Amino acid sequence: GAVVSQHPSWVICKSGTSVKIECRSLDFQATTMFWYRQFPKQSLMLMATSNEGSKATYEQGVEKDKFLINHASLTLSTLTVTSAHPEDSSFYICSAKSPRGGNSPLHFGNGTRLTVT
Amino acid sequence: DAKTTQPTSMDCAEGRAANLPCNHSTISGNEYVYWYRQIHSQGPQYIIHGLKNNETNEMASLIITEDRKSSTLILPHATLRDTAVYYCIVRETGANNLFFGTGTRLTVIP
Repeated sequence: GAVVSQHPSWVICKSGTSVKIECRSLDFQATTMFWYRQFPKQSLMLMATSNEGSKATYEQGVEKDKFLINHASLTLSTLTVTSAHPEDSSFYICSAKSPRGGNSPLHFGNGTRLTVT
Repeated sequence: DAKTTQPTSMDCAEGRAANLPCNHSTISGNEYVYWYRQIHSQGPQYIIHGLKNNETNEMASLIITEDRKSSTLILPHATLRDTAVYYCIVRETGANNLFFGTGTRLTVIP
């Protein structure tokens, strides 16, 4: 089945620094990927939709200048948390749409736990 | 607005069938029902989806009522590894993303 890989699985950074998270579709090409964020004991919240070769679409309330998304190839999308602060500490999860399209399911990475100190 | 309603939590004895209900009374004709689960500190795992017919795969069965206003996910023989949060999601035909509700926390008890 379709596999989505995220890297790193966890990262600790100091306040004010930037962190890049990678999301790769390993055995299929994904023109669209999605970035979610999940705080403890809460559900996943969609942050943005990443489109290959074009600008990402951000959900309301998500700062595009703080969460930079780059989808430069059909198998890689990156999320950069710029000038991270402790409140950005969260579980970040990406997903990609199956190449079969239509109503085929989204496939998720295993998430990246970001801790900002 | 939440499109689905699920119980907050459920327990199930190991080896027994786990039946997880979902209410989606406002579902429209072109919306599918998807089930995912999330084991602690992992990404969501796809389980099954359907439109109006019952579906079965190696993981579970999905029973959708005739009026499509509710469905039940059935794990036929629950194991301890099935302990997770189970999400029922309705998704429009051709839509890209998924919006997650709060899900049902299933605990399988030895």
